[in-house]
Amino acid sequence: EAQVTQNPRYLITVTGKKLTVTCSQNMNHEYMSWYRQDPGLGLRQIYYSMNVEVTDKGDVPEGYKVSRKEKRNFPLILESPSPNQTSLYFCASSFGGGNTEAFFGQGTRLTVV
Amino acid sequence: GESVGLHLPTLSVQEGDNSIINCAYSNSASDYFIWYKQESGKGPQFIIDIRSNMDKRQGQRVTVLLNKTVKHLSLQIAATQPGDSAVYFCAENLISRSMVLGKLVFGKGTKLTVNP
Repeated sequence: EAQVTQNPRYLITVTGKKLTVTCSQNMNHEYMSWYRQDPGLGLRQIYYSMNVEVTDKGDVPEGYKVSRKEKRNFPLILESPSPNQTSLYFCASSFGGGNTEAFFGQGTRLTVV
Repeated sequence: GESVGLHLPTLSVQEGDNSIINCAYSNSASDYFIWYKQESGKGPQFIIDIRSNMDKRQGQRVTVLLNKTVKHLSLQIAATQPGDSAVYFCAENLISRSMVLGKLVFGKGTKLTVNP
């Protein structure tokens, strides 16, 4: 089954404790991205990657890092989480950029206390 | 800020009625548009898409209309069912020099409630 898998689904952590949210897709997509979803603000892009070892900032990259060492994986790293990063996070993948359908993971609800 | 916006944040309809969800976009160069459905606790799911060389596209019970003159996009759901209750997002492919393939920019969503 074609899918985007994120882990964990839920995470509660403390300020400053580094964490990684994993994302994996099995569709051989080149393009992957991370979004955060906040009430009233919709989906905002954090980072994206057009291929292995090619990543770039989205609209709200501050406080986040990503890596793309393999085509299927695109982890999101919070080096020093803060409460304003409490949000619902989605990973997505597509064949190419924004001109094709993006497939989304189930989401990771992160709470930073 | 985002160029995609929605006219109404909430929409309530009776089961069996047709639903129309509207979306305005501001970038006349956008060449691709998508509608997503997001149910509670789930990620957005693709419903239907349309490219800028078309003005109408139909799927199963859904139709997307694109009016490039007024930069307006709408999603029509026929014979709305309780299972259609969700938040609906429109998205446009925003093209820039730094991203020739563009990137999807999402509207803030419309919550559709279907009353039995």
